[in-house]
Amino acid sequence: EVQLVESGGGLVQPGGSLRLSCAASGFSINTYNMNWVRQAPGKGLQWVSYIRSSGSSIYYADSVKGRFTISRDNAKNSLYLQMNSLRDEDTAVYYCARAGEIWGQGTLVTVSS
Amino acid sequence: DIQMTQSPSSLSASVGDRVTIACRASQSVSSYLNWYQQKPGEAPKLLISAASNLQSGVPSRFSGSGSGTDFTLTISGLQPEDSTTYYCQQSYSVPLTFGQGTKLEIK
Repeated sequence: EVQLVESGGGLVQPGGSLRLSCAASGFSINTYNMNWVRQAPGKGLQWVSYIRSSGSSIYYADSVKGRFTISRDNAKNSLYLQMNSLRDEDTAVYYCARAGEIWGQGTLVTVSS
Repeated sequence: DIQMTQSPSSLSASVGDRVTIACRASQSVSSYLNWYQQKPGEAPKLLISAASNLQSGVPSRFSGSGSGTDFTLTISGLQPEDSTTYYCQQSYSVPLTFGQGTKLEIK
C-alpha cells in the first residue's frame, strides 16, 4: 500500500527547532517530487517546500526560506523538514505529499511559550 | 507569485443539485490546476489533476474544466458526503499556491 506517515510534531517555544519526518511505503521517494504543505488551525492550505525527484531542485515558500530545510534519506525512504527559528505563525498541521496525489495524515506543530 | 481566487467562498445547495466552484489564477497556469477535497480532521484528497483529469476512485459526478486562468469544479448530483471544503491549487510554478477554499454545505 502506498502510504506516507509523518512524525516529529509537538509543542516548541518560539525560536526553537523541530525536525519532521515523513516515512514512505509502497514507493520510492527518490522517484517522485515531494512537498511539505501546512495548514494553520482553521485556515487554508499553504505550500511550504518542494524537492524534485532527482534532488536537483529545492524550493521554499518565502515565509520559511532561511529557516526550514527539506531533505530526504533514500535508504530510509524518508522525507524530512528541519524547522529552525520557529515562530508563532508556524503553528500548523504539516503534511508531506507525493506531488499532490498522496498525502500523509499530518503532524501538528505548535509554537508557543 | 500566482494568486488563486476561488468563488464563492461558501455555498449551500440541496442533494441532487448541480454545483459549480470557480477558480481564477492571476496569470496563466496552462492546465496545471488541481482540485482537492478536504474533510474536517483529514488530509486533502486529490479529486482532479491537470484541470480535468479525474483521479481513480473519485465519483464521476465530479468534473473539472478550464485552462489558462479560469477553471471550474462541477459536482453533478450533489450527495450528502460532498458537504466539505474544496481547494484549487496551481502546480505551474513555484511557489505552488492554493485558493482560499470553498465551503460547501447541504441545505
